[in-house]
Amino acid sequence: GAVVSQHPSRVICKSGTSVKIECRSLDFQATTMFWYRQFPKQSLMLMATSNEGSKATYEQGVEKDKFLINHASLTLSTLTVTSAHPEDSSFYICSARIRDSPLHFGNGTRLTVT
Amino acid sequence: AQKITQTQPGMFVQEKEAVTLDCTYDTSDPSYGLFWYKQPSSGEMIFLIYQGSYDQQNATEGRYSLNFQKARKSANLVISASQLGDSAMYFCAMREGPSGNTGKLIFGQGTTLQVKP
Repeated sequence: GAVVSQHPSRVICKSGTSVKIECRSLDFQATTMFWYRQFPKQSLMLMATSNEGSKATYEQGVEKDKFLINHASLTLSTLTVTSAHPEDSSFYICSARIRDSPLHFGNGTRLTVT
Repeated sequence: AQKITQTQPGMFVQEKEAVTLDCTYDTSDPSYGLFWYKQPSSGEMIFLIYQGSYDQQNATEGRYSLNFQKARKSANLVISASQLGDSAMYFCAMREGPSGNTGKLIFGQGTTLQVKP
């Protein structure tokens, strides 16, 4: 069964609004979660590493004020796309690591900004 | 420079036949891990197989096997007895550093596999 739950799976919002995406680890504590972005038929690009209790580490070129990450508990990380624009439309997917096991991914969120 | 390279944007295979998906990588870290994930059209990322840089034997998981050639820095995925449900996008990924680190993965460009009936 799923070990990482991501919500919502799809969201459509108007330009200028903010959207929050949740990533939950089920039945385990994830001190580190990762947020990826994927454009159609392209690879996954790491946006940021979410660390419980501390600030997220953003990859080069990712605007931290645009993509707010909060990892307030050991089972929940949130990504908020602020003041969304059509170019932010994409597939966002989170992952979490369970000890030495491979990363487990959520089912992703398809964001469409109109 | 690309750290993970998948040179096959698309591949076709006949049902029940085997197919090899190519992956080459570049790292100077002696400790690393290589992963293959399957992404169907629904978008979920499904873990298939893992190979550690110090593993002596090639990894196998059911119909999936990883042809690990360390000197060539390649980690090709072999799918035996292809099924229609294998049609999906496949990603090769690398984690640099030992397994005890945070686990950040770098992904290749992906290969779209289509299985023909």
